[in-house]
Amino acid sequence: ILNVEQSPQSLHVQEGDSTNFTCSFPSSNFYALHWYRWETAKSPEALFVMTLNGDEKKKGRISATLNTKEGYSYLYIKGSQPEDSATYLCASRGGSQGNLIFGKGTKLSVKP
Amino acid sequence: GEEVAQTPKHLVRGEGQKAKLYCAPIKGHSYVFWYQQVLKNEFKFLISFQNENVFDETGMPKERFSAKCLPNSPCSLEIQATKLEDSAVYFCASSDQGDQPQHFGDGTRLSIL
Repeated sequence: ILNVEQSPQSLHVQEGDSTNFTCSFPSSNFYALHWYRWETAKSPEALFVMTLNGDEKKKGRISATLNTKEGYSYLYIKGSQPEDSATYLCASRGGSQGNLIFGKGTKLSVKP
Repeated sequence: GEEVAQTPKHLVRGEGQKAKLYCAPIKGHSYVFWYQQVLKNEFKFLISFQNENVFDETGMPKERFSAKCLPNSPCSLEIQATKLEDSAVYFCASSDQGDQPQHFGDGTRLSIL
């Protein structure tokens, strides 16, 4: 069984601040790392799927990096906005169509 | 369709009753996954399908839980003789072949009273 850990559990920042959080995962049997943005009572929204060591992906003000050798990924948000408030979930996948093993998420609150 | 559609949004059952949840994957997606979210942010994998065939059922409780994906019908997850601890949000996701994200539905909130 894979254990995916996310830190911090929650984060409060002011509008305009840049922030980042961590996802760590077992590096053995790694296939892909997924990041999702999730607001309660809605469906998780896919942000990134990352597979290669050293991968870096960007979507607007959000970017992510991947280190498969040491088993961690960082998610960065530049110039946080109130609409960025959500829970950010990472999940590791152990095969090409394997199930996702989720971390418990980082809940981000951005104050105007 | 373009989105994963889950029905109903909310289902209330008395303890011991049967509960059946439905999921229509995105058209053309071969893989369907069911996850159970019990505690605040914990998503637990239950079962996955490749078309109508069970792909991985290692997360499925051995008793009371069953699932199907039949051709030309929504996939379903059925819980027999529900217990209080079955109360959760059940998410369905679908994906295409290859390194694509799993696309999630809005979930079904199951409340066992």
